[in-house]
Amino acid sequence: DSGVTQTPKHLITATGQRVTLRCSPRSGDLSVYWYQQSLDQGLQFLIQYYNGEERAKGNILERFSAQQFPDLHSELNLSSLELGDSALYFCASSTRDGMYEQYFGPGTRLTVT
Amino acid sequence: DAKTTQPTSMDCAEGRAANLPCNHSTISGNEYVYWYRQIHSQGPQYIIHGLKNNETNEMASLIITEDRKSSTLILPHATLRDTAVYYCIVRAPMEYGNKLVFGAGTILRVKS
Repeated sequence: DSGVTQTPKHLITATGQRVTLRCSPRSGDLSVYWYQQSLDQGLQFLIQYYNGEERAKGNILERFSAQQFPDLHSELNLSSLELGDSALYFCASSTRDGMYEQYFGPGTRLTVT
Repeated sequence: DAKTTQPTSMDCAEGRAANLPCNHSTISGNEYVYWYRQIHSQGPQYIIHGLKNNETNEMASLIITEDRKSSTLILPHATLRDTAVYYCIVRAPMEYGNKLVFGAGTILRVKS
């Protein structure tokens, strides 16, 4: 158990819909990262937040957005969903910014039908 | 960022040491070697990292060659639960924006 929690574990939705994935980092961790893992693309970095501020963006689509709240939990919003958005979405956290020692949650499996 | 090359897959007998190689011949002087693993569909798990000295923790040992062009992750007594994809990642320290870049990794199969 890494101490990072993600909800829900599974999500099935239809194309065109919008969903929100939630992540609670380890106690005391200020930095949150989102990664997407699909069968054809592998693990890809999406976005990072540190203490409420966006720090880095990766291959995140414009239909996707994220935020980190004052209590440090983070949400990843996916809208206008397409079949290709079906994937595992992982959240990770680290103590501070600038760290590659990251602790991953169990992931949310999103299936778009 | 330095490119890494890992074997696609490896087998190991349960109870034996698993030695997972990683080639990073273009590594820069300030780049660290990180190892993660991912057990089927679970979140990746940090294992160990190092710059140039060998490192050991409760999970594994990391041996980095003197020229730093390659490294080996050693699981001293592999168990069935160590079956996973192992990722070798080379990254330089950054003030912020420290994303992990995962390649294909090595599929380690521990067999009884």
